[in-house]
Amino acid sequence: QKEVEQDPGPLSVPEGAIVSLNCTYSNSAFQYFMWYRQYSRKGPELLMYTYSSGNKEDGRFTAQVDKSSKYISLFIRDSQPSDSATYLCAMETGANSKLTFGKGITLSVRP
Amino acid sequence: DAGVTQSPTHLIKTRGQQVTLRCSPKSGHDTVSWYQQALGQGPQFIFQYYEEEERQRGNFPDRFSGHQFPNYSSELNVNALLLGDSALYLCATGGGGGIQYFGAGTRLSVL
Repeated sequence: QKEVEQDPGPLSVPEGAIVSLNCTYSNSAFQYFMWYRQYSRKGPELLMYTYSSGNKEDGRFTAQVDKSSKYISLFIRDSQPSDSATYLCAMETGANSKLTFGKGITLSVRP
Repeated sequence: DAGVTQSPTHLIKTRGQQVTLRCSPKSGHDTVSWYQQALGQGPQFIFQYYEEEERQRGNFPDRFSGHQFPNYSSELNVNALLLGDSALYLCATGGGGGIQYFGAGTRLSVL
């Protein structure tokens, strides 16, 4: 079993849809949770960074962490074609330590 | 404020050759991590440098080695290249805030 599992894709939605992206993990030592966005042939760009259970909102993006269920989610409201990219969940046991990533899911938002 | 910079952007090598990739950290960052991202996969942790020492290492063979300089920049060296080493190599740097930022990556093609 992999330490981090991410829902497989690809995912295609119409513009304006609400998107839900999910990851589960098995390592209870993970304390910090991130979502990165990666455009084709580019490096990952940090979208959200959280370290406690609950919700964190930033504009159209909401990150949700449930440590008891070992489950994290990223919600995108009013999705835009510019949101089309690969989304990676990542976790670490301590600040600035090794990041463990999910496989990534490719999202396509149709105009 | 310059972000994380990596060079070169693209390299083509043949099997058995050696390659050196370079990373300059974001201003104020003293920790440098290297990741390998195969096509369609999430990044995999290679190793991390802090205070010019290798602090953590992932499941990669000794053909992968690195160095960190006093100015916190870093190099990744790969010897005896294999076809399977073809990937996007990413550098991530972090500082006191605990958040790691990625460079755009170096795309290595081994023929």
